[in-house]
Amino acid sequence: SQTIHQWPATLVQPVGSPLSLECTVEGTSNPNLYWYRQAAGRGLQLLFYSVGIGQISSEVPQNLSASRPQDRQFILSSKKLLLSDSGFYLCAWSPVTGLQPQHFGDGTRLSIL
Amino acid sequence: GQQVMQIPQYQHVQEGEDFTTYCNSSTTLSNIQWYKQRPGGHPVFLIQLVKSGEVKKQKRLTFQFGEAKKNSSLHITATQTTDVGTYFCAYSGAGSYQLTFGKGTKLSVIP
Repeated sequence: SQTIHQWPATLVQPVGSPLSLECTVEGTSNPNLYWYRQAAGRGLQLLFYSVGIGQISSEVPQNLSASRPQDRQFILSSKKLLLSDSGFYLCAWSPVTGLQPQHFGDGTRLSIL
Repeated sequence: GQQVMQIPQYQHVQEGEDFTTYCNSSTTLSNIQWYKQRPGGHPVFLIQLVKSGEVKKQKRLTFQFGEAKKNSSLHITATQTTDVGTYFCAYSGAGSYQLTFGKGTKLSVIP
């Protein structure tokens, strides 16, 4: 069966520090991969999605970036974090064929001080 | 562009009461999905509807897709404390991989 791993679970970072969040999927090949951000008590905002290695589409211009160095690995990065980057970051995957549900990782709670 | 309104934003019910959340669109939707997010957890897929007038049931949950495919609802019969969480509708454009989520309805169940 397919599983998605996301780490770390929680992270506290100072303003201006770099960020790297990692997500890996097991049990499937060539998944679509997604990064979302959820502010406290709010809905999900799609940040990036990828349909293949090295293919990244950005939905919201900001100081975050994403990379997909391997088929089942998706990384969210920042060179300098802002206070507004605080939130709950969720990675998700879906099968590549047709309209399919998305399956989410456990998320990373990021607090910027 | 498409806009989806999800109402209500919050709902408090007594355990045993029914609950309904609605997702309304200004334009026709090709599909709709529903997710549940427990407090502190991640969204979990519940159901997908694609056909006009479609109705699907999962135990005490009933999902409907309107005849015009502009609205959808999730109805829970006789709520239990395990139903607590935020319910999101989500849709994608034709041929698109991206989902757009509604803002969610947060359900609280008073025992």
